[in-house]
This record gives sequence, C-alpha cells and structure tokens, in this order.
Amino acid sequence: DADVTQTPRNRITKTGKRIMLECSQTKGHDRMYWYRQDPGLGLRLIYYSFDVKDINKGEISDGYSVSRQAQAKFSLSLESAIPNQTALYFCATSDPGTGTSNEKLFFGSGTQLSVL
Amino acid sequence: SQQGEEDPQALSIQEGENATMNCSYKTSINNLQWYRQNSGRGLVHLILIRSNEREKHSGRLRVTLDTSKKSSSLLITASRAADTASYFCATDLNSKLTFGKGITLSVRP
Repeated sequence: DADVTQTPRNRITKTGKRIMLECSQTKGHDRMYWYRQDPGLGLRLIYYSFDVKDINKGEISDGYSVSRQAQAKFSLSLESAIPNQTALYFCATSDPGTGTSNEKLFFGSGTQLSVL
Repeated sequence: SQQGEEDPQALSIQEGENATMNCSYKTSINNLQWYRQNSGRGLVHLILIRSNEREKHSGRLRVTLDTSKKSSSLLITASRAADTASYFCATDLNSKLTFGKGITLSVRP
C-alpha cells in the first residue's frame, strides 16, 4: 500500500463547480503539503501544514482552500473551479527530523484535474 | 517565484554515458535536494546535500554544492535506459521547499 494516497487519480469537472482532492498518509508525518504541477513550470506550493492546527499559504493559494482533518489527512478544495486550475496536483509529507530544516518530501501519485 | 533553475532543460545521452545536470538558485539555503519524476508520477527523493557540505555520493549519483556560486550539479554515472525521467532540484529555506522547472533526461538504449 502507498504511504501517501491521493484520491481521485483523475477528475474532470466543469467551470464553477466545487471540488475536493483528498490526501491521506500512513507515514506518521506531521508536515503535509499541496503542490500543483503545470507543464514547463515545475511544482508550485499551494498550501502547507506543519501540524493539525497549523495551516499556511504557499506561493499560489488564491482560489484554493485546505482542511487538515487529522494528522493523516489533508484535503484541498477548489471552491469554484476555473480552467486555469487544470493541472496535476500532488500531496506530499515530510518529517523534519532534528532542527528546523525540512527533510525530504514523500509524494503521492498525483491527481490529474481537468476543468472544462 | 522559482528558486532553483535547472540547466539544460533537456538532455539526451547514450546508455552507459554520464549525465550531468546543473541547478542554480538565488538566495541562501538550508539544503538542496534532487528529485526524480517518471512520466506524470509522483516525485521521488534522490539525494540531499546540506549547505555546509560540498559533495555527496549515493550509488551512481554524485551531487556537488557550491554556495559561493549558488549552484549545484547532479551527476549520474553509467546511465541506464531506466534513468529516463525528469529531474528536479529543490531548495530548502525555512522549512519550505521550492522546486525548479525540471530537466528531461532521455537515455537511449
């Protein structure tokens, strides 16, 4: 079983619809992240959470919201989807280990979202 | 904005050759990491080098870091067709990881 599981794997929706992408992890990590990947642009950080009570905006949070329901669950919502939110979305987790520096990220398999 | 910037954008080599990929960044960092992505799948961590380290090895991978030039390089030795993938550098500052746009590596059998 995957350590970081994203659902759904693929989703097609229409402009204006609300949609939720879900992420769950069995790694026991406190830190969770949502990134989006667009061709030629690499990965950009949307939101991140360092523990259940901590939510932080990333580089491109406009149009998105998140919920950290438990240590293991971090969901991303698009309140009113628009076509330029069509992208590949990744959830990731990390364990900071010692100190404040981030350690490596563990990624889910991604959700391909298409907004028509 | 992107912190890391990889060079070249695409690289095509013959199996058995070495592949060298470069990454430049703009601000100070805690560490720099390299990730690999196979065609639309999730990224997989390859190697991490801290700001006080200059070189690190892991199997066929060798990464160097020059903080004075704000640059890093990833060397894959004796490449294999299975190394075909996209490679990303990512810089860590204050526990936030920022990724570059990636390098597409093709290894011809």
